[in-house]
Amino acid sequence: DAKTTQPNSMESNEEEPVHLPCNHSTISGTDYIHWYRQLPSQGPEYVIHGLTSNVNNRMASLAIAEDRKSSTLILHRATLRDAAVYYCIARGNQGGKLIFGQGTELSVKP
Amino acid sequence: EAGVTQSPTHLIKTRGQQATLRCSPISGHTSVYWYQQALGLGLQFLLWYDEGEERNRGNFPPRFSGRQFPNYSSELNVNALELEDSALYLCASSLVGRNEQFFGPGTRLTVL
Repeated sequence: DAKTTQPNSMESNEEEPVHLPCNHSTISGTDYIHWYRQLPSQGPEYVIHGLTSNVNNRMASLAIAEDRKSSTLILHRATLRDAAVYYCIARGNQGGKLIFGQGTELSVKP
Repeated sequence: EAGVTQSPTHLIKTRGQQATLRCSPISGHTSVYWYQQALGLGLQFLLWYDEGEERNRGNFPPRFSGRQFPNYSSELNVNALELEDSALYLCASSLVGRNEQFFGPGTRLTVL
């Protein structure tokens, strides 16, 4: 599993887009990029994952750099409910443990 | 569909005692994972069970152990509790070989 680096914290205004960056310069060719988030007083929640192409789902979009050394999680319109710690994880696609870093604590201002 | 459930919600023990935490995975999920989230240490992987077998273990002492039952539910046992074991213990489940893990709400263990 590759090491990932994220900013400790970010702020956003409600209704605005949020771009959460993640660096994973040692990622291998078969490692997927996964994002989870943890809302206050809850367990982590799966957000999205991808390998090379950009991915979209109802929660977010994942933009992956062409060299795969970085990626960005995009929340298109932040809501107060999106305030959470967001974790970027780079690992293989065969299941198994998740290695969580420190994550980015996102705060959303009304 | 019911999510991952954990019991108890809170558990208070004293040093040296044993704690038993329980987890029921989502129906159809055969893999169960345990994580510890201690203050200041972040989320750390503890154990992974699949089809009743221990598949992987994190960097924790042997007094952390567990098992998975034929119905895929799981138990985490912590023996000889120490103050530093106070943490939120999270259980997650997944379909074998799949990326997405679904987490329960956790058990808050306090060791006095």
